[in-house]
Amino acid sequence: DGGITQSPKYLFRKEGQNVTLSCEQNLNHDAMYWYRQDPGQGLRLIYYSQIVNDFQKGDIAEGYSVSREKKESFPLTVTSAQKNPTAFYLCASSIVNANYGYTFGSGTRLTVV
Amino acid sequence: KQEVTQIPAALSVPEGENLVLNCSFTDSAIYNLQWFRQDPGKGLTSLLLIQSSQREQTSGRLNASLDKSSGRSTLYIAASQPGDSATYLCAVQNAGNNRKLIWGLGTSLAVNP
Repeated sequence: DGGITQSPKYLFRKEGQNVTLSCEQNLNHDAMYWYRQDPGQGLRLIYYSQIVNDFQKGDIAEGYSVSREKKESFPLTVTSAQKNPTAFYLCASSIVNANYGYTFGSGTRLTVV
Repeated sequence: KQEVTQIPAALSVPEGENLVLNCSFTDSAIYNLQWFRQDPGKGLTSLLLIQSSQREQTSGRLNASLDKSSGRSTLYIAASQPGDSATYLCAVQNAGNNRKLIWGLGTSLAVNP
């Protein structure tokens, strides 16, 4: 079955530590996105990529980094510069330039310990 | 600047009732509008996508309408079931090169047996 796989489901980060969230899709979608979800707030875009080896900052990119070396993969690194990283992180993909909905992964819950 | 509002924030209904969820947006220059469902602690599932040139879309017991001129969309759920309990999110994709998704905060629906 085609879809998006996010791993791990739960992640714990110590102060000052970098952690990487995985996102893999087998839908052959060109575009991939990372969102952050906090209680009482709408989804906020962190980074997005419409093509391999290219990505753009979203609304809240500070303290995060990404790479897009393969079409199928779009990992997100939460760096120590992100002061409030505890949140639910969602990865999504879509076809570029088409009236086509987004497909989301099941999310990763990151907690600072 | 596009803003998306969903009313009500929470809704509780008895099983079997027909119900309407509302989504309003401030800028009518949209590419499409999408409705998603999110179960607690899970990712988002795409329900319906309405293109800017369309008035409505239907899938099973769900019907979504779009009135661009008034900046409104409704999601109609017929004969509600306890399994429909979830948060329903509305997102507007802006027209233009950006085509960024702008999200509402969602309506939390509880269908009681």
